[in-house]
Amino acid sequence: DTGVSQNPRHKITKRGQNVTFRCDPISEHNRLYWYRQTLGQGPEFLTYFQNEAQLEKSRLLSDRFSAERPKGSFSTLEIQRTEQGDSAMYLCASSGDTGSEQYFGPGTRLTVT
Amino acid sequence: GESVGLHLPTLSVQEGDNSIINCAYSNSASDYFIWYKQESGKGPQFIIDIRSNMDKRQGQRVTVLLNKTVKHLSLQIAATQPGDSAVYFCAENPYYNKLIFGAGTRLAVHP
Repeated sequence: DTGVSQNPRHKITKRGQNVTFRCDPISEHNRLYWYRQTLGQGPEFLTYFQNEAQLEKSRLLSDRFSAERPKGSFSTLEIQRTEQGDSAMYLCASSGDTGSEQYFGPGTRLTVT
Repeated sequence: GESVGLHLPTLSVQEGDNSIINCAYSNSASDYFIWYKQESGKGPQFIIDIRSNMDKRQGQRVTVLLNKTVKHLSLQIAATQPGDSAVYFCAENPYYNKLIFGAGTRLAVHP
């Protein structure tokens, strides 16, 4: 399977704990995006990378959130001191250099109790 | 601010009928639009895209229409099948980086 993959698929954590998600993009794609989706809503942009450079961050990405793509391949999204409001589906997408045709992974469902 | 919205939250159709899902966008500078299909528990699946230099684009059983004058998009699905049941999103990509999504339309196909 050469699509976008994300791990874990589900994560349940207690408030105040840190969590980390991983995304592996389509191998030839230079751009990688993170989105967050809550129930009944469309995905909301969080941040994106061109190779290893983080080019844009949304205001939604508070200082408790950090994303990395150290070698320009896979990416991690870490949330520190999780809050109940962080409960959502975290989606990763990738695309070529033009930024068109973004392909999404299956998402990581985070539940903060 | 920029937004992409949908006219109908739920659309119910009979199997075999044609479906039309509508979407309005607000950024007149946008020149690239995408339709995604999302099934329960899965990530959005790319269906079809269109650039503003076109007003119509066809794929397999799907057609996207773009009316730039009124900032309106539609997705037409021919001969709707039970497997088409999902939530459909239109998305705007004005700067060819982040996608701006609306809330989605749920398509329910009845036998």
